[in-house]
Amino acid sequence: AQSVTQLDSQVPVFEEAPVELRCNYSSSVSVYLFWYVQYPNQGLQLLLKYLSGSTLVKGINGFEAEFNKSQTSFHLRKPSVHISDTAEYFCAVRGGYQKVTFGTGTKLQVIP
Amino acid sequence: EAGVAQSPRYKIIEKRQSVAFWCNPISGHATLYWYQQILGQGPKLLIQFQNNGVVDDSQLPKDRFSAERLKGVDSTLKIQPAKLEDSAVYLCASRRLAGGLDTQYFGPGTRLTVL
Repeated sequence: AQSVTQLDSQVPVFEEAPVELRCNYSSSVSVYLFWYVQYPNQGLQLLLKYLSGSTLVKGINGFEAEFNKSQTSFHLRKPSVHISDTAEYFCAVRGGYQKVTFGTGTKLQVIP
Repeated sequence: EAGVAQSPRYKIIEKRQSVAFWCNPISGHATLYWYQQILGQGPKLLIQFQNNGVVDDSQLPKDRFSAERLKGVDSTLKIQPAKLEDSAVYLCASRRLAGGLDTQYFGPGTRLTVL
């Protein structure tokens, strides 16, 4: 079985400040890891993914994430957030049988 | 290329009524997924199709939910009869390959409210 934990349900941050959204996973097999963003009343959009190779992955909109196998983490970071980054962010893991499991999401609120 | 299309975008029904959702995946995508996203939660996989066959429906409440993907293209998800706890956004997603490392693309979702 696989699972994803996003401990922070909401993260408020001031505009232009850095942000880190935490994600931890568990799986008995090798996994692929994803971060998705969901803007209000819209579907999920892929931000970035880790499949193999370099543990630092860069995505769209200036986001990046680092895969840490020993800590089973895949935290999402951005050095300077904008108002337009206000959205809900979901971490997901794809493991055995190609099944994708999502975390419960973290709402990022950027404060002007 | 066109994205994943879903209709309707919104639906309001009373409990015990029936409802159906439609999904048109990206052309050529072999794998299709239906997810249920309850408010405040992450998406939960209901069913996964590979072409027109079911790969995983372990979390589909089969006493009331059904899904089909005739001809391996469009798909419909039906709820009959609906319960209050079925209120959620139903997301459809597709992926080009059955396996491999490619990306899953999501549609805008159908927001269902059961009164």
